[in-house]
Amino acid sequence: AQSVTQLGSHVSVSEGALVLLRCNYSSSVPPYLFWYVQYPNQGLQLLLKYTTGATLVKGINGFEAEFKKSETSFHLTKPSAHMSDAAEYFCAVAGGGYQKVTFGTGTKLQVIP
Amino acid sequence: DAGVTQSPTHLIKTRGQQVTLRCSPISGHKSVSWYQQVLGQGPQFIFQYYEKEERGRGNFPDRFSARQFPNYSSELNVNALLLGDSALYLCASSRTSGGRTDTQYFGPGTRLTVL
Repeated sequence: AQSVTQLGSHVSVSEGALVLLRCNYSSSVPPYLFWYVQYPNQGLQLLLKYTTGATLVKGINGFEAEFKKSETSFHLTKPSAHMSDAAEYFCAVAGGGYQKVTFGTGTKLQVIP
Repeated sequence: DAGVTQSPTHLIKTRGQQVTLRCSPISGHKSVSWYQQVLGQGPQFIFQYYEKEERGRGNFPDRFSARQFPNYSSELNVNALLLGDSALYLCASSRTSGGRTDTQYFGPGTRLTVL
């Protein structure tokens, strides 16, 4: 069994401020972990993923996430928020493949000018 | 290269009707997965097909069925529609069924409204 918890359904940051979106997971097998972004009325775009190896993962648009097994966390960060980062972000976990990928409930990021 | 395409974009049906949604994967991709995203929630896995065989099924009733064609395109069928089936249906394609180096690409979705 696997699950994902995203803390905070809405997060607001000022333009230029640090973005931190929290994700905790549970998985009975070594997990694959993902962060996706969804803009209004669009599909999901992969930001980054962790499978094995280096625990700090760099993705597109300046985002990165760190896999912390001891904390079962995979938080998403970006040093400086841009207005274009305003969107909904989903964390997801998979038990080694895409079968039964489990998504979190999402965090809507608002960027304030 | 074209991305994942889905048709139709929007669809309105009434309770009890049947609906078919279509997905064309990225060229060279052999796996297609279907997800249901209810408003305000994250996507939920429905099916995965790889090389025309079902590789995974989520916790959905038998009213939901799917198939994959020789050209790797896919259809999702939903029978006896309920109001609760109103959602954005997302299709995703990948080269394999989910290897470490593989990436899943999502289409724009089909918005289904059941009245």
